[in-house]
Amino acid sequence: SQQGEEDPQALSIQEGENATMNCSYKTSINNLQWYRQNSGRGLVHLILIRSNEREKHSGRLRVTLDTSKKSSSLLITASRAADTASYFCATARSYNTDKLIFGTGTRLQVFP
Amino acid sequence: DGGITQSPKYLFRKEGQNVTLSCEQNLNHDAMYWYRQDPGQGLRLIYYSQIVNDFQKGDIAEGYSVSREKKESFPLTVTSAQKNPTAFYLCASSAPRDGAHYGYTFGSGTRLTVV
Repeated sequence: SQQGEEDPQALSIQEGENATMNCSYKTSINNLQWYRQNSGRGLVHLILIRSNEREKHSGRLRVTLDTSKKSSSLLITASRAADTASYFCATARSYNTDKLIFGTGTRLQVFP
Repeated sequence: DGGITQSPKYLFRKEGQNVTLSCEQNLNHDAMYWYRQDPGQGLRLIYYSQIVNDFQKGDIAEGYSVSREKKESFPLTVTSAQKNPTAFYLCASSAPRDGAHYGYTFGSGTRLTVV
C-alpha cells in the first residue's frame, strides 16, 4: 500500500533554480524521510524529519513537515545538473516503525 | 567499505523457472528488506526480516520466498507462481530492528526480466 504521494510527478528546471517537491501521506507518522535515486541505481538516504520537528536543513536541502496537513516538502536550492534524479518520500507510521512505506516519487531533471 | 551488495545486476528468467536474487551486507545491520519497483509505482515491500531466522510478509509477498539463515544475507527467490516478475528489485538494511526510526541503506538493485 502506498502511504506517500509526491507532487509533481515530474519537474524540469534550469541549473541555479530552486526545486520544490511535495509529499502527502495518510496516517499519523513517527518520521518522514527523503531519498534520492539515480536512474537504474539504488536509493540514497538524504534526510529524516521527526513528527515533532517542523523544518530541517542539510546543505542545499531544506525539508518541512506539517503534520496537521499530513504533508512535507523538499526544497533543493541552487540546483545542479548532478541533482537530476528521482526523489522519494518514505514514512514510518506512529504505531509500526519496523518498516518504511514509500511514495511514488518525483522525477527531477536539471538542465545545464 | 561497508555496504550492501546485490547480485546479479541483470537477470533473465524463463517462464516457469524459479530464480534467486542475492543480497549481502557487511554493515552488521539487524534488519533487511526487499522492495520491488515498477515504473510509476514507487517501491512496494515484499518481505522484511528484523532478526536471523525470522521474517515477515510485506504488501506483495505472493509468489516470493525468502530466508534469513545469517545476519549478513537475505536472499529472495522469485518463484514460478509470481505471474509478473519483470521489475527492479531493491534490497535494503537498517541498523536497529525497528529500522524505520532511522534511514535505510540500499543496494544497487537487480533488474529481472522474463524472457
